Amino acid sequence: QLQLQQSGPGLVKPSETLSLTCTVSGGSIISTTHYWGWIRRPPGKGLEWIGLMYHGGSTYYNPSLRGRVALSVDTSKNQFSLSLSSVTAADTAVYYCARDTVAYYMDVWGKGITVTVSS
Amino acid sequence: QSVLTQPPSVSGAPGQRVTISCTGGSPDIGAGYNVHWYQHLPGAAPKLLIYGNNNRPSGVPDRFSGSKSGTSASLAITGLQAEDEADYYCQSHDSSLIGSRVFGTGTKVTVL
Repeated sequence: QLQLQQSGPGLVKPSETLSLTCTVSGGSIISTTHYWGWIRRPPGKGLEWIGLMYHGGSTYYNPSLRGRVALSVDTSKNQFSLSLSSVTAADTAVYYCARDTVAYYMDVWGKGITVTVSS
Repeated sequence: QSVLTQPPSVSGAPGQRVTISCTGGSPDIGAGYNVHWYQHLPGAAPKLLIYGNNNRPSGVPDRFSGSKSGTSASLAITGLQAEDEADYYCQSHDSSLIGSRVFGTGTKVTVL
């Protein structure tokens, strides 16, 4: 069945750019009925939606992160990526990638990757 | 972006029934958008529990049920079990922001 796996550095310095990749296996990232998204959970807090994208390139972002966040897709590698610039300690969180649906819910999630922002 | 409000915590003894409320507003639940629920166990990926207000994905026990009315929704857990101790989140769409998703504030369920 479809599986998602996050990868990337677990430690990022303040003011630098956080970059994560989600590899999709067991299915194609090219889908007319699905989007691909990122969600995070800071320590001691709840889930926060970061953004999502369609394989064709359309993107939608949480306005609280707009200007710092960018999503991209590499259909040849069946991967999609998150880039978050000018990070601070407030961006420390477990980051999840997920398959999103045209019905506005996320039905398949990756296991998550812990990212700490610290010098 | 809109906010969906949940109680911080609920608790119950094994076998009991607990409910979690999710209160939104006119841009989201009140605009007719569906509510979905996720279970988040410590150290695990969030799991889709209910979609489209009251539908269970394959494999989710029928102890879990959802409902929606007006600008609010609820998740009910009947026959509470120790394994149900987790964080639960509602989620919907904010019509004021194209393509958005909005999560509830989250509820910790404790099995006494």
